[in-house]
Amino acid sequence: AQSVTQLDSQVPVFEEAPVELRCNYSSSVSVYLFWYVQYPNQGLQLLLKYLSGSTLVESINGFEAEFNKSQTSFHLRKPSVHISDTAEYFCAVSWSTGNQFYFGTGTSLTVIP
Amino acid sequence: EAGVAQSPRYKIIEKRQSVAFWCNPISGHATLYWYQQILGQGPKLLIQFQNNGVVDDSQLPKDRFSAERLKGVDSTLKIQPAKLEDSAVYLCASSLPRGSMNTEAFFGQGTRLTVV
Repeated sequence: AQSVTQLDSQVPVFEEAPVELRCNYSSSVSVYLFWYVQYPNQGLQLLLKYLSGSTLVESINGFEAEFNKSQTSFHLRKPSVHISDTAEYFCAVSWSTGNQFYFGTGTSLTVIP
Repeated sequence: EAGVAQSPRYKIIEKRQSVAFWCNPISGHATLYWYQQILGQGPKLLIQFQNNGVVDDSQLPKDRFSAERLKGVDSTLKIQPAKLEDSAVYLCASSLPRGSMNTEAFFGQGTRLTVV
């Protein structure tokens, strides 16, 4: 079965500390991977994506994620978080055989001053 | 470029009533999705359209939910009759066809439905 799992439902972290949000998937076909961020009372915004090529992808606000095919993971990292990074983060998978997007259950990141 | 538009933003109805949500995707996006996001959970795909045809509606509760995209642009999602467990945010998204380098889903702000 194909699925996407976010292992941590809540991650509290102090401001300026590093953070990693974990995402694993299972699939028998090649995948495209995405991280979306959702601020309170708003829709989802794309943070970064992996389609092909370099396995390390970066966003404009300092987040990065690395596609690891052998471990079927796409963990999101940031070396130093800010208060404004407090939000819900969703990992999403789209399989190459279709155009659907399937989401994990989300990780609530809370940055503590 | 204009984003995905949804209306209304908020809706409160009593159980057993009916409700409809509207979505206008990004111009040129042939694929349109409706997701249900229950509080504390990730978005769950309800239905996917390619132009005005249904690609996937396997998770749509067809006894009470219906959706249409008559002219391949705007879409309407309807619930009739509503149940308490339908309380959620309903998100509409659109995307370009597979193969485009911009092949991600773009989301609207959602409609928050409360069934009392």
